[in-house]
Amino acid sequence: DADVTQTPRNRITKTGKRIMLECSQTKGHDRMYWYRQDPGLGLRLIYYSFDVKDINKGEISDGYSVSRQAQAKFSLSLESAIPNQTALYFCATSRGANEKLFFGSGTQLSVL
Amino acid sequence: GESVGLHLPTLSVQEGDNSIINCAYSNSASDYFIWYKQESGKGPQFIIDIRSNMDKRQGQRVTVLLNKTVKHLSLQIAATQPGDSAVYFCAESPSGSARQLTFGSGTQLTVLP
Repeated sequence: DADVTQTPRNRITKTGKRIMLECSQTKGHDRMYWYRQDPGLGLRLIYYSFDVKDINKGEISDGYSVSRQAQAKFSLSLESAIPNQTALYFCATSRGANEKLFFGSGTQLSVL
Repeated sequence: GESVGLHLPTLSVQEGDNSIINCAYSNSASDYFIWYKQESGKGPQFIIDIRSNMDKRQGQRVTVLLNKTVKHLSLQIAATQPGDSAVYFCAESPSGSARQLTFGSGTQLTVLP
């Protein structure tokens, strides 16, 4: 089984719809992250969480919100999806602040 | 070669040859550098990392070289195999912290039979 699991793998939605992407991990890591990947661009950090009670905005948090339901679960929501949020979204975990990231397989989101 | 934030270059090599993937970075304060491999349909996978107090680090079939003078990072893959075909991207951080990583856009490596 994958250590970092993202659901769904693919999602097509319409402008204005609310969407939730889910991430769960079995690595026991405290730190979890959400990234966005666009063609020709590097990964960009949306939100990160160092523990259940700690949520922080990343570089591109506008239009997104997150929830850390438990140490193992970190979900990303788009309250009102727009077409330029079409992208590949990755969840990642790390054991500590200066530890390498472990990524899920990604969720391809298309907003029509 | 790759630059943090620019277009996706490509590199084709013959199976068995060595591959060199380059990355230029702009932040002279960057202290930590990391290479990831991303296969089609999968998430990025850690390959190797290096801190700024080193100029070379070796792993299994991979070597990372860091030239701080010209702000250049390279990944060398020895005896490239078909399974090495993927997008490779570098990332840098001024503190070593994952939340401060700046990722490059990647280089597409294709291994030819």
